Amino acid sequence: DAKTTQPNSMESNEEEPVHLPCNHSTISGTDYIHWYRQLPSQGPEYVIHGLTSNVNNRMASLAIAEDRKSSTLILHRATLRDAAVYYCIRVNYGGSQGNLIFGKGTKLSVKP
Amino acid sequence: ETGVTQSPTHLIKTRGQQVTLRCSSQSGHNTVSWYQQALGQGPQFIFQYYREEENGRGNFPPRFSGLQFPNYSSELNVNALELDDSALYLCASRLGVAGELFFGEGSRLTVL
Repeated sequence: DAKTTQPNSMESNEEEPVHLPCNHSTISGTDYIHWYRQLPSQGPEYVIHGLTSNVNNRMASLAIAEDRKSSTLILHRATLRDAAVYYCIRVNYGGSQGNLIFGKGTKLSVKP
Repeated sequence: ETGVTQSPTHLIKTRGQQVTLRCSSQSGHNTVSWYQQALGQGPQFIFQYYREEENGRGNFPPRFSGLQFPNYSSELNVNALELDDSALYLCASRLGVAGELFFGEGSRLTVL
């Protein structure tokens, strides 16, 4: 049970922003939200993570709702290289030892 | 380039055989975990080792076993192979039990 819900697929145009949504309505207070992406024929790659506050790094931004029941990964300017499957994952560093429970993710297509 | 290397990259086995997959973690990483990814699905957690001890296991039968060595490299062993074991096997490492996981590119196993 992935415990997160994401759209199966999304499309974007190159150089436009992309907002990838994720629902995690049963999240506990100690669960972090992690995002990974997987490019074709590669292993997953870490993108960003957060607990309560919005987070920014060189790859993306993560906006977490105030009630923490949903979050949005924001790619500010999509490039062709951003075409991948994006996974939103709840991670608890207590009993589950930080294991990642992947769902099916969102397949992002980027059009030139 | 994550610094996590896996071998072999591809292999073919027949039902009933045994297989050993190997993983060299990123330098200094003392936690390694293994994931199975069937075609079109997200990765599924198999187990995790921290400082040579298994400290987490997913819903996989005992014929899936592993080892972590003092240099923190790791092996995944699968006995009595079944057709459904055909998948991409991913190794990931991190320093400690929290934070970003670094994935290798995987070993593609085909069971005939």
